Amino acid sequence: ETGVTQSPTHLIKTRGQQVTLRCSSQSGHNTVSWYQQALGQGPQFIFQYYREEENGRGNFPPRFSGLQFPNYSSELNVNALELDDSALYLCASSARQGEKLFFGSGTQLSVL
Amino acid sequence: AQSVTQLGSHVSVSEGALVLLRCNYSSSVPPYLFWYVQYPNQGLQLLLKYTTGATLVKGINGFEAEFKKSETSFHLTKPSAHMSDAAEYFCAVTRTAGTALIFGKGTTLSVSS
Repeated sequence: ETGVTQSPTHLIKTRGQQVTLRCSSQSGHNTVSWYQQALGQGPQFIFQYYREEENGRGNFPPRFSGLQFPNYSSELNVNALELDDSALYLCASSARQGEKLFFGSGTQLSVL
Repeated sequence: AQSVTQLGSHVSVSEGALVLLRCNYSSSVPPYLFWYVQYPNQGLQLLLKYTTGATLVKGINGFEAEFKKSETSFHLTKPSAHMSDAAEYFCAVTRTAGTALIFGKGTTLSVSS
């Protein structure tokens, strides 16, 4: 049990739609990162938030955006969904940058 | 740029046998190195990490890894496999604490009785 909860666990969308994925971190975890894990691949870094500000971003287009809230919850939003967005999306949090990451179980997104 | 290569997408061992999962990295700066395990329908769990200091790192569940700078390797080992070790294993690298992890493609470990 990592204390990081993601919802929903599974989601099906069609191409062109928008989706919001949610993550609830442990209390006191000020840093949250999101990763995309395509089938048969390792996770790829999307972005990181620290105290509600984005402070790092991977090679993902602007249609991937996020929010972090004061209550240690966060969101990943993806606009104009494409078939290649089908993947497991993982949220990870830590008390401070550089400390151990705690991963959620992920949201499996399927884009048809 | 940093990168990670995990040799062998699938490794099969018998229960009680040695586990060896290979990881090579590329980094222009001294790396921080990690091994994570992922069980079905679960998130990633940290097995061990190397930052500085002792090159032989011991982790949870009897796993250990050795950082070899000359070989740019960070192979994961366990002397005796257990059925519960069957999972997906990921090697990861980052250049400093707090920056994004770069993962390899993963190695699936199967353990037979």
